[in-house]
Amino acid sequence: DVKVTQSSRYLVKRTGEKVFLECVQDMDHENMFWYRQDPGLGLRLIYFSYDVKMKEKGDIPEGYSVSREKKERFSLILESASTNQTSMYLCASSPYRDRGVDEQFFGPGTRLTVL
Amino acid sequence: RKEVEQDPGPFNVPEGATVAFNCTYSNSASQSFFWYRQDCRKEPKLLMSVYSSGNEDGRFTAQLNRASQYISLLIRDSKLSDSATYLCVVDRMDSSYKLIFGSGTRLLVRP
Repeated sequence: DVKVTQSSRYLVKRTGEKVFLECVQDMDHENMFWYRQDPGLGLRLIYFSYDVKMKEKGDIPEGYSVSREKKERFSLILESASTNQTSMYLCASSPYRDRGVDEQFFGPGTRLTVL
Repeated sequence: RKEVEQDPGPFNVPEGATVAFNCTYSNSASQSFFWYRQDCRKEPKLLMSVYSSGNEDGRFTAQLNRASQYISLLIRDSKLSDSATYLCVVDRMDSSYKLIFGSGTRLLVRP
């Protein structure tokens, strides 16, 4: 059974703290993604990675960085958390396809609150 | 204009009703289309892919109209368990990996 796990379901941090969100997938997928989801705005892509040590910016990368040292693990880092980064963070993975786009599998999400 | 637009709803229907959602997309070159379902405080999960010829999965039917750039989802004989948010998802032609998610249409099925 496909599985994407995230390190925390709920997280509360203070403004200025460095925050690490971890994501692990057990499907040997090449692609991994980080999104944030806010009411009325849908899912917005922060960063994605198509291979180990490879990363590309998504639509809203400002204030975030990522790390992918191993194929199964993709980390999202908030260098200095701010209140406008309070959100639901969702990690996803998908396999590589020569043509077309495949389904993305999501983790359960981390609800981050920055005070 | 948003790349993927959906009516946010909520659609409030009785059990057994038929309900339809539409979604419009802006990039005429998009090739892959999906409907995802998201339950309250849960992650999105694939409901079904949408094929050019239209496709059906039990009580769910998805249609694609390329000329008008919209996709639809029809749910027949609604169940209480169908209550969820339905996300319209389209690929991005600037990358073979990335998807664009609509904000979702909320469905409430009442007894």
